[in-house]
Amino acid sequence: GAVVSQHPSRVICKSGTSVKIECRSLDFQATTMFWYRQFPKQSLMLMATSNEGSKATYEQGVEKDKFLINHASLTLSTLTVTSAHPEDSSFYICSAPGQGLRETQYFGPGTRLLVL
Amino acid sequence: AQSVTQLDSQVPVFEEAPVELRCNYSSSVSVYLFWYVQYPNQGLQLLLKYLSGSTLVKGINGFEAEFNKSQTSFHLRKPSVHISDTAEYFCAVISSGSARQLTFGSGTQLTVLP
Repeated sequence: GAVVSQHPSRVICKSGTSVKIECRSLDFQATTMFWYRQFPKQSLMLMATSNEGSKATYEQGVEKDKFLINHASLTLSTLTVTSAHPEDSSFYICSAPGQGLRETQYFGPGTRLLVL
Repeated sequence: AQSVTQLDSQVPVFEEAPVELRCNYSSSVSVYLFWYVQYPNQGLQLLLKYLSGSTLVKGINGFEAEFNKSQTSFHLRKPSVHISDTAEYFCAVISSGSARQLTFGSGTQLTVLP
């Protein structure tokens, strides 16, 4: 089946620094990728839709300048958390739809971000 | 707009007992329905999906779910659970014609007790 990877799996950073998270589709191309945020013991909340070759579409309430998304190629999307603060600490998960119209999405293993 | 409701936030069950995790959805158009499982500190793994056709769908690890359009439900079942089934389970929906965005329920923590 289709595989999506994320890097890093875990990151700890100081408040005020920026952190980049990569999401790759390993054996298929993805013109669209989704970024989710998950707080402990809660569901996944869609943050933004990453579109290859164009601007990302952000969900209401998500700061575009805070969470920079770049979809540079058909297999790579990046999420950069700029000037991170402790409240940005969370589990970030990306997903990519498979080919065709059958809407199955494949999820990355997630990135645990801890901002001190 | 679409939404998903998982009524049970936690379901404890003894090993080898049957289990049902409930999921109801609302949408003004036809939908695709999914169940995902998440183990601690991991991403989501697809258990099963309903796209069309037979309303009873079988997935991995012995799970199955039944799509009931009149009750707008998609409950997940397993006749005999194992300790290894302990995880968080999410029901999700995509409305036809949407931008392929999944809407998730709040999740159900299944804990299998020895």
